[in-house]
Amino acid sequence: EVQLVESGGGLVQPGGSLRLSCVASGFSLSTYWMHWVRQAPGKGLVWLARINNNAKTTNYVDSVKGRFIISRDSAKNTLYLQMNSLRVEDTAVYYCARGPYFFDIWGRGTVVTVSS
Amino acid sequence: DIVMTQSPDSLAVSLGERATINCKSSQNILYNSNNKNYLSWYQQKPRQPPKVLISWASTRESGVPDRFSGSGSGTDFTLTISSLQAEDVAVYYCQQHYEAPYSFGQGTKVEIK
Repeated sequence: EVQLVESGGGLVQPGGSLRLSCVASGFSLSTYWMHWVRQAPGKGLVWLARINNNAKTTNYVDSVKGRFIISRDSAKNTLYLQMNSLRVEDTAVYYCARGPYFFDIWGRGTVVTVSS
Repeated sequence: DIVMTQSPDSLAVSLGERATINCKSSQNILYNSNNKNYLSWYQQKPRQPPKVLISWASTRESGVPDRFSGSGSGTDFTLTISSLQAEDVAVYYCQQHYEAPYSFGQGTKVEIK
């Protein structure tokens, strides 16, 4: 079965760091562009970042540029999102999704709460 | 950056009636070399991840009921639910995948009248 499963969310203080993981099964991450999308409580979807199939190209939305890093481990078939300098406004459900263009496979999300 | 604006923010439609959601992009998202509009539509039900309904503005994804259709080109797009069913209650989002950042519309909440 083709699926994505996120993990790594939790409660962190402002200024802290977290690394989210997204394990793919049923397909190889190295053949797809992969993305991270988040959704704050009661709010809409926000695209965050993408990484291309050979992991040589990454792009970010301005609000996370310089703080978040998207990466991939092909051997583990796992996508990552390293989140640094976290802010209260980063509180959200974080989804990984399969591209390259429209997102046909989504994980169920992992919850990140940034609070003191 | 491309800004996607949906209208209305919410709508209530009677069962069996038509629901229409509009989406406008701040710039053209039709790629002339392949004549494709880089626009997709998603449905999100409570406590679930989004699900793609329509890709390339008008291509219905596998398994999506044919009461869902997408239209439009360039900067103006529409998602139509021809005969609203109870299971269609959800929030609907458009998204441009023409260039990064791949922005979403703010969402349209569809309810039963």
